Amino acid sequence: EAQVTQNPRYLITVTGKKLTVTCSQNMNHEYMSWYRQDPGLGLRQIYYSMNVEVTDKGDVPEGYKVSRKEKRNFPLILESPSPNQTSLYFCASSLKETQYFGPGTRLLVL
Amino acid sequence: QKEVEQNSGPLSVPEGAIASLNCTYSDRGSQSFFWYRQYSGKSPELIMFIYSNGDKEDGRFTAQLNKASQYVSLLIRDSQPSDSATYLCAVNRGSGTYKYIFGTGTRLKVLA
Repeated sequence: EAQVTQNPRYLITVTGKKLTVTCSQNMNHEYMSWYRQDPGLGLRQIYYSMNVEVTDKGDVPEGYKVSRKEKRNFPLILESPSPNQTSLYFCASSLKETQYFGPGTRLLVL
Repeated sequence: QKEVEQNSGPLSVPEGAIASLNCTYSDRGSQSFFWYRQYSGKSPELIMFIYSNGDKEDGRFTAQLNKASQYVSLLIRDSQPSDSATYLCAVNRGSGTYKYIFGTGTRLKVLA
């Protein structure tokens, strides 16, 4: 089944404790992206990647890192999480216009 | 001014009616326009996209684009209770880029 998977789905952590949210797709898509969704602010793009080793900033990259070492994986790294990074995170992949979103990761930073 | 604006709603329509969802954007260089549907607690899913001025139809859905007015809309004909969701408008800033800007969404309620 074609899909985008994210892990973990739910995470509670404390300020400053490094964490990684994994994203994997099995559709051989070149493009992948990370978004965060917050009430009243909508979906905002954090980082995106056009292909292996090619990444670029979205609108809200501060406090996040990404890497794209393999085509199928695009992890999101929070080196020192802060409470303002509490949010619902979505990973997406696409070949052309159609973005396929993962199920989301709900993160709470205390 | 937000780059992509939508009325948050809720927009309530009776079953069988036409639901009209609107979106305006500020960047005249925007090239492609997307409508996503997001059910509560779920991830967004693409309904349709449009590049050119005019209408594009797909089943019960019609996207309309007017670049001069910087306006894109989504019409849902014969609305069903299962269409009740939040509809997100998204804009791609230009050809060759994968930067997307989303509106905050319009919540649609279709009343049985």
